[in-house]
Amino acid sequence: DTEVTQTPKHLVMGMTNKKSLKCEQHMGHRAMYWYKQKAKKPPELMFVYSYEKLSINESVPSRFSPECPNSSLLNLHLHALQPEDSALYLCASSQDLRSQGAYNSPLHFGNGTRLTVT
Amino acid sequence: AQTVTQSQPEMSVQEAETVTLSCTYDTSENNYYLFWYKQPPSRQMILVIRQEAYKQQNATENRFSVNFQKAAKSFSLKISDSQLGDTAMYFCAFRRNAGGTSYGKLTFGQGTILTVHP
Repeated sequence: DTEVTQTPKHLVMGMTNKKSLKCEQHMGHRAMYWYKQKAKKPPELMFVYSYEKLSINESVPSRFSPECPNSSLLNLHLHALQPEDSALYLCASSQDLRSQGAYNSPLHFGNGTRLTVT
Repeated sequence: AQTVTQSQPEMSVQEAETVTLSCTYDTSENNYYLFWYKQPPSRQMILVIRQEAYKQQNATENRFSVNFQKAAKSFSLKISDSQLGDTAMYFCAFRRNAGGTSYGKLTFGQGTILTVHP
């Protein structure tokens, strides 16, 4: 069982649609991440939230809009996507690395959302 | 910037045998963390093992162990008694010391697809 839950598992959307990906964790982690992964390639970092504030945006196009409503939830809003945006979108979370004993904590990943843009 | 190199795009091994996946990295940092993640067809990225750069002792987790050579910047993964469930894509990842931030960025290698044959 994964401790990071992503919904939906699969999503097909047209280029004019608006949709959202959701991610939830209840491990008390205060850092949350969005990654994009193409087939047989490593994940690419898109965004990092720390304590519900956007800390890193890796020059992601504005058609991707992240949101962190609270410490357990992370959303990725999608609008006017292109076919090349089709990929697996992974959410991850981690402990505050400054916390006692957490300096070597790994990222915990969800199962991802397989997005197809038609 | 850090780089991580996995020179074996694909490998195969017979069930119950031992296989070693290679990983090298380049960094000017002295304090950092290294991880091996596996990603089976179920898509979830699962932590296999982690190593702290300042620890000379190689990490071990059941059938998984690493050979960490800091001077050579090498971090190979050995899987003993391979099982069919070990079939997955394996990613080596580097994370620098968080340096006072609550989150950490992972630099991934290109991955190695491991197939375990019965």
